Amino acid sequence: SQQGEEDPQALSIQEGENATMNCSYKTSINNLQWYRQNSGRGLVHLILIRSNEREKHSGRLRVTLDTSKKSSSLLITASRAADTASYFCATYNFGNEKLTFGTGTRLTIIP
Amino acid sequence: DAGITQSPRHKVTETGTPVTLRCHQTENHRYMYWYRQDPGHGLRLIHYSYGVKDTDKGEVSDGYSVSRSKTEDFLLTLESATSSQTSVYFCAISGVDTEAFFGQGTRLTVV
Repeated sequence: SQQGEEDPQALSIQEGENATMNCSYKTSINNLQWYRQNSGRGLVHLILIRSNEREKHSGRLRVTLDTSKKSSSLLITASRAADTASYFCATYNFGNEKLTFGTGTRLTIIP
Repeated sequence: DAGITQSPRHKVTETGTPVTLRCHQTENHRYMYWYRQDPGHGLRLIHYSYGVKDTDKGEVSDGYSVSRSKTEDFLLTLESATSSQTSVYFCAISGVDTEAFFGQGTRLTVV
C-alpha cells in the first residue's frame, strides 16, 4: 500500500479562494514534499519540509507538518486558474531511502 | 529544467516482448527512481537506486528489473510485457534529503 494519502481526492473552488489539501502517512519520515502535476506532464517540486519543522512558506503556499499525527497540509492562498492541477505529497525516509508518493488531490479553480 | 531525460517518450509493444526504458541524468544525483502512474493510484514506486549498482525494490516491482551501471543512467526493463503494465512511467532524480526532479514521462502501451 502507498505511504501517503491525500484528502480530498478532488477539490473545486472559485478563483481567489483558498485551497487546503491534506496528506496522511504511515511511517516515520525525514522530510515531506509537495509536488504539482499539470495534466500529462511531469511533477514539479513545490516545497520540502523536514521532520523537525512545523511550518514553511513559499509565496502563496503554506505547508504544515504534524509528525505526532503523521499528517501535513498544503494551503494555497488567493487561488488562480493556473493553480488547476493535481497535487501530491511524498515522504522520504533515511532508513530505506525511498521517496514514496500519495494518491494525489485534483484541484480545479473555477474562473 | 533539471538535466533528466527519458527515452522513449512513447512506445507501443506487444504482449510478451521485453521492453527497456532509459532514464539519463546530467546532475550527478545519487538517487534515481522509477514510478508508474495509473488513474486512481497516484505514483507507485517500482524500483530505485541509491548508487551505481545499488538498487532496491519498490511497492510494485513484480515483472520489472533495473540496472544502474553508471551514475547517469538508470534502465527499467519489463521482462515480458503484459497489458497490466500499460501505464505512464516516470523517472526521478534527487540528492540526499533534497527535492526530486522528474522526467517528462514515457507512455507505454502493451497490446
